[in-house]
Amino acid sequence: AQSVTQLGSHVSVSEGALVLLRCNYSSSVPPYLFWYVQYPNQGLQLLLKYTTGATLVKGINGFEAEFKKSETSFHLTKPSAHMSDAAEYFCAVSGPGGSYIPTFGRGTSLIVHP
Amino acid sequence: GAGVSQSPRYKVTKRGQDVTLRCDPISSHATLYWYQQALGQGPEFLTYFNYEAQPDKSGLPSDRFSAERPEGSISTLTIQRTEQRDSAMYRCASSLGGREVDTQYFGPGTRLTVL
Repeated sequence: AQSVTQLGSHVSVSEGALVLLRCNYSSSVPPYLFWYVQYPNQGLQLLLKYTTGATLVKGINGFEAEFKKSETSFHLTKPSAHMSDAAEYFCAVSGPGGSYIPTFGRGTSLIVHP
Repeated sequence: GAGVSQSPRYKVTKRGQDVTLRCDPISSHATLYWYQQALGQGPEFLTYFNYEAQPDKSGLPSDRFSAERPEGSISTLTIQRTEQRDSAMYRCASSLGGREVDTQYFGPGTRLTVL
């Protein structure tokens, strides 16, 4: 079985501050990990994904995430928040040879204030 | 098409009525997924198609839910005898293939409200 825990349903940061959204997973097989962003009235859009290889993954809009197997984590970061980053962020896990359908976390709402 | 589209965007119905939701995937994509997303939750898998085949229906919550993709392109999700607990956002996604690593492209969703 696989699962995802996103700590904090809401994260609030000031514009220009570091963004850190936490994701921990459990999986019985080496995971594939994803971060999606959902803007109001739009569908989920892939930010980045980890499959194999380099554990630091760079995505769109200046976001990156690091796969840490020892910590079973895949936290999302961005050095400097913009107002346009305000959205809902979802972490997801799937597994090769295991559950090919991604399991999503409950989401974290990022609030950016001036 | 350029992206995944869904219709209607909003649907309000009365308990006991049947509803049909439509998904139009990216034209080159073989695989299509349906998800249900309750308020404050992440998307939860319902079913998926590889072309017109439906290998996995394990996420459908009851036999009131069914989905079709008869020609391997457009898909419909039908909920019969709707109940208030069916109120949710229903999301469709498509991908080029059905592998775990394939990126899924999501539509904007259909917000279903059952009164």
